[in-house]
Amino acid sequence: DAGVIQSPRHEVTEMGQEVTLRCKLISGHNSLFWYRQTMMRGLELLIYFNNNVPIDDSGMPEDRFSAKMPNASFSTLKIQPSEPRDSAVYFCASSPSGGKGWEQFFGPGTRLTVL
Amino acid sequence: KNQVEQSPQSLIILEGKNCTLQCNYTVSPFSNLRWYKQDTGRGPVSLTIMTFSENTKSNGRYTATLDADTKQSSLHITASQLSDSASYICVVIWGGYQKVTFGIGTKLQVIP
Repeated sequence: DAGVIQSPRHEVTEMGQEVTLRCKLISGHNSLFWYRQTMMRGLELLIYFNNNVPIDDSGMPEDRFSAKMPNASFSTLKIQPSEPRDSAVYFCASSPSGGKGWEQFFGPGTRLTVL
Repeated sequence: KNQVEQSPQSLIILEGKNCTLQCNYTVSPFSNLRWYKQDTGRGPVSLTIMTFSENTKSNGRYTATLDADTKQSSLHITASQLSDSASYICVVIWGGYQKVTFGIGTKLQVIP
């Protein structure tokens, strides 16, 4: 059974460009989490969906960031326009049930570099 | 001040030796605590999940303890192996399962 799938694995872009990160959940899971990881701040929760509905987006840094879940198995995280300080590894994780208390299964991450 | 603090920041041990990683938290009310292992270049993988009523939980050579009164947790690794080299991250779920706070992690290197 495939785990969480993220694409691309690496992305290098120039400041001001739009970046779209993609995530496919584990089949049967209904909760999705987007995280950002940097050396200085560690892992930070950006947004959390349950049954395709955004439940908590308090971690989204600013309006340049947006996330969607157009169906039960797929999500995108978009940054427009991108800035060098957005450089980080972005993880998505899926969970078999709603709520942050359940075990989460992480994808391999997308390493984003904004020049 | 970080609400979930881990120590040490990094640790080097010899293969076969034991080690203990610490996690202290200040957030409240507590829901549960998790330890994750993150290999370089990969996503975190859950090792243990501990609720308020659990004091000790084991997963193979990994044993986690929790003292909810003092708000401290530890992860003990027995008979370390080279494959244990990774970052270990402590995560606290709190606020009625509504909030999640991560520690920065402890980077463990096991050397032959």
